[in-house]
Amino acid sequence: GAGVSQSPSNKVTEKGKDVELRCDPISGHTALYWYRQSLGQGLEFLIYFQGNSAPDKSGLPSDRFSAERTGGSVSTLTIQRTQQEDSAVYLCASSRDYASSYNEQFFGPGTRLTVL
Amino acid sequence: TQLLEQSPQFLSIQEGENLTVYCNSSSVFSSLQWYRQEPGEGPVLLVTVVTGGEVKKLKRLTFQFGDARKDSSLHITAAQPGDTGLYLCAGASPGDKIIFGKGTRLHILP
Repeated sequence: GAGVSQSPSNKVTEKGKDVELRCDPISGHTALYWYRQSLGQGLEFLIYFQGNSAPDKSGLPSDRFSAERTGGSVSTLTIQRTQQEDSAVYLCASSRDYASSYNEQFFGPGTRLTVL
Repeated sequence: TQLLEQSPQFLSIQEGENLTVYCNSSSVFSSLQWYRQEPGEGPVLLVTVVTGGEVKKLKRLTFQFGDARKDSSLHITAAQPGDTGLYLCAGASPGDKIIFGKGTRLHILP
């Protein structure tokens, strides 16, 4: 596809369960970001993958959150033992070249996570 | 720590009015980007400004990058209901992760 895709679009889970959110970036994009957005709020940075370098995990709110990027392409964000405060829209974005001054980001439509 | 502050946080104005939103930082960025996000969608890039003092126009939207490349403004002329959304600025420098401001939520009343 031409854009960033995310799945599922909606996820409802029970407190304490684990969830996996998937992001398919634009082909050839070397950088990939995960953000969290609560209702009516701005973007909260979670994690940043740049090429083959170690990811910047400085935004992950707790050790229940982890992310992988396999083969420099698809990424999975995993939340273990979900809590109600994890409810939010999780957005993924990719950019072509993290070393560029432009670094324009292309966002997916997001996954809306609801923890009951 | 690099931070971008946007103001105002919320703005509700009548159709046809003009408005300006601001994005300020104490840090220098190589480029400043503006995104618009509509409900239920991801943010979409509107413009990137790279040169200090640069002005870019996109129909009724005018973007300016400060001379010192630490701040930017977005001016909308004759706002329309279709301009409603969350406007986000983001600072970028080569090799560094992009930094987003918290956004300005704009509502244009018909």
